[in-house]
Amino acid sequence: GEDVEQSLFLSVREGDSSVINCTYTDSSSTYLYWYKQEPGAGLQLLTYIFSNMDMKQDQRLTVLLNKKDKHLSLRIADTQTGDSAIYFCAESPNSGYALNFGKGTSLLVTP
Amino acid sequence: NAGVTQTPKFRVLKTGQSMTLLCAQDMNHEYMYWYRQDPGMGLRLIHYSVGEGTTAKGEVPDGYNVSRLKKQNFLLGLESAAPSQTSVYFCASRHWTSDVKNIQYFGAGTRLSVL
Repeated sequence: GEDVEQSLFLSVREGDSSVINCTYTDSSSTYLYWYKQEPGAGLQLLTYIFSNMDMKQDQRLTVLLNKKDKHLSLRIADTQTGDSAIYFCAESPNSGYALNFGKGTSLLVTP
Repeated sequence: NAGVTQTPKFRVLKTGQSMTLLCAQDMNHEYMYWYRQDPGMGLRLIHYSVGEGTTAKGEVPDGYNVSRLKKQNFLLGLESAAPSQTSVYFCASRHWTSDVKNIQYFGAGTRLSVL
């Protein structure tokens, strides 16, 4: 299938904001997701957004959705060293049962 | 709360050997999935199941077989392992509901090396 695109690497300093970007492919996707994978662990759902929303905020996390451009972003405010992980963007096409994942963005937070 | 449990956590195989990876979920989920994760490739779907007794192919099914004899278990088999199957394997599950959220819950993964 077509690829969900993400930048592969992001480095920020502790206390700064992080912005991870994603371009998805299927305009029929009803929900879009951000998953977090810590070293040696499985994926955990971080947040999701319904496709008729432009923005969703959840504590330090802000998700922005531009449906026209099929662009999704995740902003982490006041980034902490514990936020260092791989972040995956995923779409849920109406045509299938599975999620389409991006390749993941490795976030490194330095003191 | 166990969630999704995968066994084993690690395994080293020789080329040509066979093995079965087990995934068990205690959330009464209808759908279950097997993914593989490779560096720079993200997660790719191998096989999935929408209910007990049913399986379907995903994006990269070759070299793998699956079975879903019980609702809570989804087995992934490698009949003749190849070095190209060295990967981290993740199982996931989700409810079927009329709500299309499709939130999947993942196991911790099985790290497989084929020499």
